[in-house]
Amino acid sequence: GESVGLHLPTLSVQEGDNSIINCAYSNSASDYFIWYKQESGKGPQFIIDIRSNMDKRQGQRVTVLLNKTVKHLSLQIAATQPGDSAVYFCAEILNSGYSTLTFGKGTMLLVSP
Amino acid sequence: EPEVTQTPSHQVTQMGQEVILRCVPISNHLYFYWYRQILGQKVEFLVSFYNNEISEKSEIFDDQFSVERPDGSNFTLKIRSTKLEDSAMYFCASNKRTGFQPQHFGDGTRLSIL
Repeated sequence: GESVGLHLPTLSVQEGDNSIINCAYSNSASDYFIWYKQESGKGPQFIIDIRSNMDKRQGQRVTVLLNKTVKHLSLQIAATQPGDSAVYFCAEILNSGYSTLTFGKGTMLLVSP
Repeated sequence: EPEVTQTPSHQVTQMGQEVILRCVPISNHLYFYWYRQILGQKVEFLVSFYNNEISEKSEIFDDQFSVERPDGSNFTLKIRSTKLEDSAMYFCASNKRTGFQPQHFGDGTRLSIL
């Protein structure tokens, strides 16, 4: 569910499981979306992106799904590994003519060996 | 792989003092950004910069903040008179162009105001 302040939603999985991280974005006019991974003490690291004219995009072990009807974005990670443990943020860009990223609140993924 | 680098990694400053955070964006990138992240909260946009001028700025980026590209490689964020609530992680980011291009982030500077 939603989190406030210091409390992040947390997803705990076993190594080898598939993980699904969800994000509700804020603006129906947003036309570009990015998933970032943030490890402790590090900056956001780009994982995968998707444009609003697509509903699915696949990368290596990751898939992003976009449902514009309900303003929902998800990140699927296949065969999750302990190194995937991090906070995952979705970010949206309202207008691709600019590049201001609006970040979501983040989900912490904990992968147990 | 090219990286955005930020210095220092941690800056401790007395309230009211000026602070300058430094960034070296990826060398062939043209668009530069500063974001901040207060502990436990989401990343917030501060300012974007292109062609030696500010492109966009948020409400957070008031007249206590300024940015500069003093030479061909550095991009700096200055806070003139720091406040306790300026304590946060500050991230620099860059990309080649606007549009459907992800921004690449540095590992941030932790700013602690005492």
